[in-house]
Amino acid sequence: KAGVTQTPRYLIKTRGQQVTLSCSPISGHRSVSWYQQTPGQGLQFLFEYFSETQRNKGNFPGRFSGRQFSNSRSEMNVSTLELGDSALYLCASGLEGTPEAFFGQGTRLTVV
Amino acid sequence: AQSVTQLDSQVPVFEEAPVELRCNYSSSVSVYLFWYVQYPNQGLQLLLKYLSGSTLVKGINGFEAEFNKSQTSFHLRKPSVHISDTAEYFCAVVGGTDKLIFGTGTRLQVFP
Repeated sequence: KAGVTQTPRYLIKTRGQQVTLSCSPISGHRSVSWYQQTPGQGLQFLFEYFSETQRNKGNFPGRFSGRQFSNSRSEMNVSTLELGDSALYLCASGLEGTPEAFFGQGTRLTVV
Repeated sequence: AQSVTQLDSQVPVFEEAPVELRCNYSSSVSVYLFWYVQYPNQGLQLLLKYLSGSTLVKGINGFEAEFNKSQTSFHLRKPSVHISDTAEYFCAVVGGTDKLIFGTGTRLQVFP
């Protein structure tokens, strides 16, 4: 069974631009969560989607948004990029009713 | 709200020595507990989990952890480490919010 797939693996963007990251969950998993990892703040929860609905949201500005499609694939979007948005963005998927989360390899975003 | 404290930011150890990585949590509700490992430029890999039942849980790569409810701890142990165990280790909790709350991580450095 294929794991969680995140694309692209690496991205370089300039300040003010926007970016879209993609996550394909493990087959059969309908829950997708996003996390931001930085050296200073560690792993921080962004949001969770289940069956195309946002179920949980972390404490991030409105520039960070996401969505989930009917096939459970998810995208997150960051608009008006700032230097501080440089981070590893991790996606995790899980089965309904279970607390375990399985992570992808991440997307390394660098904002210059 | 839940929180996780990893008491050691770095743990240096020689190869074949035993190691313990400490994790304490805070929660007003029942929790599920996890340990994840992250190798450089990789995502998070689930090492082991405590959901219920036996308080001693065994995971991959020879790691084990013991859930101690009275001390609100979930320390990770390995009797004999290898160079390949060098990585960042994260303790995480899931409680009433249904989202993973991570500790700040412990960097395990194994020396030959």
